[in-house]
Amino acid sequence: GDSVTQMEGPVTLSEEAFLTINCTYTATGYPSLFWYVQYPGEGLQLLLKATKADDKGSNKGFEATYRKETTSFHLEKGSVQVSDSAVYFCALIPAYTDKLIFGTGTRLQVFP
Amino acid sequence: EAQVTQNPRYLITVTGKKLTVTCSQNMNHEYMSWYRQDPGLGLRQIYYSMNVEVTDKGDVPEGYKVSRKEKRNFPLILESPSPNQTSLYFCASSFRGGQGKAEQFFGPGTRLTVL
Repeated sequence: GDSVTQMEGPVTLSEEAFLTINCTYTATGYPSLFWYVQYPGEGLQLLLKATKADDKGSNKGFEATYRKETTSFHLEKGSVQVSDSAVYFCALIPAYTDKLIFGTGTRLQVFP
Repeated sequence: EAQVTQNPRYLITVTGKKLTVTCSQNMNHEYMSWYRQDPGLGLRQIYYSMNVEVTDKGDVPEGYKVSRKEKRNFPLILESPSPNQTSLYFCASSFRGGQGKAEQFFGPGTRLTVL
């Protein structure tokens, strides 16, 4: 079935470091891909999305590119801040449904 | 303000005592869904609804019920809660998809503890 695999956390970085969180997926057809972020004590917020191959989603300095050939949607940011500390979820919606399928989440901790 | 609200935010109960967690959205979304979040497992879908009076099971429906009598409300019912239902619950809503799936909006979460 359709699924999302993302790297285990926690990811621990110093402020201004470069961030990559890996995400790969398994799905038939062309799913839509998402990154959601969950700040401590809050619900999930959409960070960015991409709906077709080679699309790049971007928001708040974060970017991710929909790579059909490698079935990947890695999240990157050039310079993280302490305020980026949160749990990040990669997710997909298959082409044939409205169901959102999540990865297990990756906790990011950024220290000053 | 466009939002999804859930109540209560925190609940401690005992095994077997029926409870309802309410969910309401003010965005006229057709699609609504309930998830539970557990450490190491991410979010798993419990039930979803495509529109009023249309509901279906997600991945982990056992021990839960839902109803969708109005478009804005989608309550989650635990008829006889058990300790393995201790979890963080999220309600979400969106417009129906098509090309370029719609963003799902999430409520703030309900932390449930069943003793």
